[in-house]
Amino acid sequence: QQQVKQSPQSLIVQKGGISIINCAYENTAFDYFPWYQQFPGKGPALLIAIRPDVSEKKEGRFTISFNKSAKQFSLHIMDSQPGDSATYFCAASDNYGQNFVFGPGTRLSVLP
Amino acid sequence: DSGVTQTPKHLITATGQRVTLRCSPRSGDLSVYWYQQSLDQGLQFLIHYYNGEERAKGNILERFSAQQFPDLHSELNLSSLELGDSALYFCASSPRLAGITDTQYFGPGTRLTVL
Repeated sequence: QQQVKQSPQSLIVQKGGISIINCAYENTAFDYFPWYQQFPGKGPALLIAIRPDVSEKKEGRFTISFNKSAKQFSLHIMDSQPGDSATYFCAASDNYGQNFVFGPGTRLSVLP
Repeated sequence: DSGVTQTPKHLITATGQRVTLRCSPRSGDLSVYWYQQSLDQGLQFLIHYYNGEERAKGNILERFSAQQFPDLHSELNLSSLELGDSALYFCASSPRLAGITDTQYFGPGTRLTVL
């Protein structure tokens, strides 16, 4: 119940394309769903996050879509750029932020 | 640059040994989190300290311990090291007692290699 599943494991997209990464969870106590971006040799950095009271959140080229009934959420990167090439982690947490788990990560490569 | 510093950057040691990893949080941040990242286990939360007190534990082994000092820097102690402990260890800090719902700022990590 604590797991967060993430797919695909790796993704190759052409410059200007849409990158889509999917995550699924089982624990209905999860109430906060962040996405992290990690470049090689660096620590993860918070990209965008959503709570289940909204179905979508957009920040620039990054959008989270959330489906509470299906217990799924996804990250969409519009107009993908080579600079977006990184590993992306989804995570899920309870409302207090103390009980949380990360997905296994998706390695995104955006070709020029 | 996140403002979080970690030392050392790399550490190579032998099985059975003990090491200490150090983290200095961003100025003003009261929370420090420790994470382990490995190819096998992915990114795992280990432990959270807030203003010197332990607040939450994740998948931290009994051989591992941590503390946060009055100046808010933190140390992660790893003992009786095994080959499987080889990993990147990240420290993160945030201003409040809000766990992952607070924006956490990650340091550059310490790469531990156990031979």
